[in-house]
Amino acid sequence: RKEVEQDPGPFNVPEGATVAFNCTYSNSASQSFFWYRQDCRKEPKLLMSVYSSGNEDGRFTAQLNRASQYISLLIRDSKLSDSATYLCVVNTGRRALTFGSGTRLQVQP
Amino acid sequence: ETGVTQTPRHLVMGMTNKKSLKCEQHLGHNAMYWYKQSAKKPLELMFVYSLEERVENNSVPSRFSPECPNSSHLFLHLHTLQPEDSALYLCASSPHGPLQLQYEQFFGPGTRLTVL
Repeated sequence: RKEVEQDPGPFNVPEGATVAFNCTYSNSASQSFFWYRQDCRKEPKLLMSVYSSGNEDGRFTAQLNRASQYISLLIRDSKLSDSATYLCVVNTGRRALTFGSGTRLQVQP
Repeated sequence: ETGVTQTPRHLVMGMTNKKSLKCEQHLGHNAMYWYKQSAKKPLELMFVYSLEERVENNSVPSRFSPECPNSSHLFLHLHTLQPEDSALYLCASSPHGPLQLQYEQFFGPGTRLTVL
């Protein structure tokens, strides 16, 4: 089983839609969680950290479910500029982060 | 200059060549990382340096050799590579040591490597 698993997509949604991605992780001792965004042929950049209580940043909401070992990212009112690959990232307590393969989002006009 | 820079941005090399990738961070961070990103695969951690000391070598073949002369610079020396080593090589840095739980990694733009 992969340490961090994501649906690769692509998710094709119209502008203005709400879209949600899930990510599961295998190590129950994982301690911190993040969503990164990677544009085509660019480097990954931190989108938001994910806290136990859930957190929101504008149109983006992240949730953590430790019991079921998954995190989610909800994007409301999708914009064309949201088109990218969204990487689920977990700190498993090793000396660096573990990245999922990413979920590709394509927002269409 | 700001952020994390990498040179070259693109590199084509033969299997018998020797080349080096360079990474420089201007953020005053203490930890630096090399990752490999192949098509449709997750980022694979290769090496971690914390305060110039290598703290992780993730079972990387010896044809990849890292060097960290100071906390701002990181190199990846390449020799006798294979075609399957063709990938995007990303350098990253983080403010604190890698054992910090909540930390952001800042990535450079990457070097796209093609091995012929």
